[in-house]
Amino acid sequence: QVQLVESGGDLVKPGGSLRLSCAASGFTFTNYYMSWVRQAPGKGLEWVSYIGSGGSPIFYADSVRGRFTISRDNANNSLYLQMDSLRAEDTAVYYCARWDFGDYAAYWGEGTLVTVSS
Amino acid sequence: EIVMTQSPATLSVSPGERATLSCRASQSVSSNLAWYQQKPGQAPRLLIYSASTRATGIPARFSGSGSGTEFTLTIRSLQSDDFAIYYCQQYHDWPPKITFGQGTKVEIK
Repeated sequence: QVQLVESGGDLVKPGGSLRLSCAASGFTFTNYYMSWVRQAPGKGLEWVSYIGSGGSPIFYADSVRGRFTISRDNANNSLYLQMDSLRAEDTAVYYCARWDFGDYAAYWGEGTLVTVSS
Repeated sequence: EIVMTQSPATLSVSPGERATLSCRASQSVSSNLAWYQQKPGQAPRLLIYSASTRATGIPARFSGSGSGTEFTLTIRSLQSDDFAIYYCQQYHDWPPKITFGQGTKVEIK
């Protein structure tokens, strides 16, 4: 069955950096777009970024463009999110999702918590 | 950016009754709309895509309808497992600016 397991969440100071990882299994990773979606504590869902099956196209939400970088390693069935210049408003649970047809999240991981605070 | 507005914010329903949730887009998204269910402490789960197509394994009591700017998620004969928060999401924009509604909480009456 499809499994997505995120890791890398942590407490980081404003202005700091963090790299999230997502290990995928149970499907042919190279066939699918992948995405990151976040959820601030007690709030709704916010799409962050997605990446095409071969590494392009790549798109970002306006709120993270220029600070976050999505990437993937198809040889190791892994998705990444490099987060730089972190702000307090980036505090959230970050979910990795299989993004079917480049349209919607068919499967989700359990999420990893990123806290940006001094 | 297309703004998605869900109503009501909270819906109180008795088990066995029908729940009707609304989602409105600020401009037409055709049928490029998905619905998700999220329970406390869990990741969201895809229920519906293309406005009316149930995702794999989703019970038939969940149905989606609508197109353009007005969409509805109907849960027929609510079960205890259905009390959760429901989100709509559009994927119409290109380049993509994917947006979610703010959610509707379905609670036990």
